[in-house]
Amino acid sequence: KNQVEQSPQSLIILEGKNCTLQCNYTVSPFSNLRWYKQDTGRGPVSLTIMTFSENTKSNGRYTATLDADTKQSSLHITASQLSDSASYICVVREVYSSASKIIFGSGTRLSIRP
Amino acid sequence: NAGVTQTPKFQVLKTGQSMTLQCAQDMNHNSMYWYRQDPGMGLRLIYYSASEGTTDKGEVPNGYNVSRLNKREFSLRLESAAPSQTSVYFCASSDLAGTEAFFGQGTRLTVV
Repeated sequence: KNQVEQSPQSLIILEGKNCTLQCNYTVSPFSNLRWYKQDTGRGPVSLTIMTFSENTKSNGRYTATLDADTKQSSLHITASQLSDSASYICVVREVYSSASKIIFGSGTRLSIRP
Repeated sequence: NAGVTQTPKFQVLKTGQSMTLQCAQDMNHNSMYWYRQDPGMGLRLIYYSASEGTTDKGEVPNGYNVSRLNKREFSLRLESAAPSQTSVYFCASSDLAGTEAFFGQGTRLTVV
């Protein structure tokens, strides 16, 4: 069973609409959680990081939430733009872990239609 | 500022051939990583180097070898390529203490 599961696998929305992507994890003990954006044919780029003590963090039109009790995170995108079309990857790191314990979700592929 | 540079961007190999994927970073990062990304799956760690002079196996090391040539460069070698190694390979680097990884643009490898 994957330790980081994302849903939905893919999503299509119209330009200007909002959407929310979900990430559930079982990684424990938990250090932090990052959301990455991966454009087609490119490497992932970090959008935001959240530690266990943070509930909400915004980066422009992106807002990430974290519930460390239920081990759930979400990424909300407001007023979507065509450039938001990408895969969004949730990445969780264990406390005091080596690199081998950074675990990637399989991503949500988001498509924005004009 | 180039960040993380990978070469080549595309490669087609025949089964049994060998090749080396090159990676260099100019951010003075201590840690470097090699991942593979298969369709519908998350990035999986092949090998990593926490600092110059050290390398360790990740989740899927079989069929690969690595060399941390110096602080800037971390290469991945396939000694005898197999079709199962068809994938997109990403190199990344990060500070020793930080967790944000900066990724290269990827190498799309096809083994026929």
